[in-house]
Amino acid sequence: GENVEQHPSTLSVQEGDSAVIKCTYSDSASNYFPWYKQELGKGPQLIIDIRSNVGEKKDQRIAVTLNKTAKHFSLHITETQPEDSAVYFCAASKTGGFKTIFGAGTRLFVKA
Amino acid sequence: GAGVSQSPSNKVTEKGKDVELRCDPISGHTALYWYRQSLGQGLEFLIYFQGNSAPDKSGLPSDRFSAERTGGSVSTLTIQRTQQEDSAVYLCASSSNSQTEAFFGQGTRLTVV
Repeated sequence: GENVEQHPSTLSVQEGDSAVIKCTYSDSASNYFPWYKQELGKGPQLIIDIRSNVGEKKDQRIAVTLNKTAKHFSLHITETQPEDSAVYFCAASKTGGFKTIFGAGTRLFVKA
Repeated sequence: GAGVSQSPSNKVTEKGKDVELRCDPISGHTALYWYRQSLGQGLEFLIYFQGNSAPDKSGLPSDRFSAERTGGSVSTLTIQRTQQEDSAVYLCASSSNSQTEAFFGQGTRLTVV
């Protein structure tokens, strides 16, 4: 079945720097790749997603890239701010009623 | 309601007792997931319901765990003979299908004493 690996598990950056989180997936049929942010005491919330027919998507300070050949996708946060500190999860799913598979999460610390 | 609702938000139970956790998904969502999250850890998949299909129970850790989804809407996760290692936050999520955004509830924090 599908497997999603996420790296790094912990990431610490200085405010204003960029942060990059990378994920790889195993099932080449996967075609939907969402990213979720989980703040303390809350459930994860979608921040951006990308489908397999595009290679990059951007929304203000966050962007996601997808390399279908290599089966990896990445989250890029630019000009990081302390409020970006949270746990970030990548995920992958495919058409046909298959469940979404989540990565193990990355704990991001943004130091002021 | 506007989002996924879980109840109770907190539950403290004695070791050996049974507990039931409830999830009210967003109306019309066919996909429903249960996850377990221990302190500082990732999302541990438990069970997945999709429409009228047989649920994917591959993540249930033992036969003390079971879940059902009545009428394709509300779901209950039951843990029998609770153990201390069952202490965690149990998260429910729903989506219109597996190819769209999953909306998570706030979770139920279960503490087994």
